[in-house]
Amino acid sequence: QLQLQESGPGLVKPSETLSLTCTVSGGSIGSSSNYWGWIRQPPGKGLEWIGSIYYSGTTYYNPSLKSRVTISVDTSKNQLSLRLNSVTAADTAVYYCARVGRSGWTDYFEYWGQGTLVTVSS
Amino acid sequence: DIQMTQSPSSLSASVGDRVTITCRASQSIRSYLNWYQQKPGKAPKLLIYAASSLQSGVPSRFSGSGSGTDFTLTISSLQPEDIATYYCQQSYSTLWTFGQGTKVEIK
Repeated sequence: QLQLQESGPGLVKPSETLSLTCTVSGGSIGSSSNYWGWIRQPPGKGLEWIGSIYYSGTTYYNPSLKSRVTISVDTSKNQLSLRLNSVTAADTAVYYCARVGRSGWTDYFEYWGQGTLVTVSS
Repeated sequence: DIQMTQSPSSLSASVGDRVTITCRASQSIRSYLNWYQQKPGKAPKLLIYAASSLQSGVPSRFSGSGSGTDFTLTISSLQPEDIATYYCQQSYSTLWTFGQGTKVEIK
């Protein structure tokens, strides 16, 4: 059974960089059939797609975050990473990593981590 | 960007009621539409993919339909454990987007 676990600082200061790691167990992050994503949810609000990374290394980012976000994969550690620069209070959210499942022609977020709350505050 | 609009934003229904949630895309997304259930304090869970395919392990009272721009999620007989917020999400574009969510409560 695939499991994902987010980790990282729970508190980040404004203007600094938010860095999170997602450790994958029960499967290989580098498999050619896998790709991955990050999603966030501000307290009391809905889900926002941050971006996705394919096994090839190709990335796609939410246009509203594109200038500040980097998603990468470390196959040696079986980890997915998220970096978000120049954070403000508006970046306070629960951050989820997820594996994208595929059935024929369509994709979806199939496995999710439990999420980690990141608060931006001085 | 493709915008996803859900209605209603919230609803209250009795146990055993049939519940329908609507999701509309700002342009055609064919059948690239997924539904998720999120219970308080938990990660979202995939219910339906490709507009109408039931994810393994999901109760058969959940069903999805639609194509193009208009989609529905139906709970045929609402159960107490179905209390949650439901989100649609499109994967037609490489830039994925979610609906704003529909909160389902028991009357």
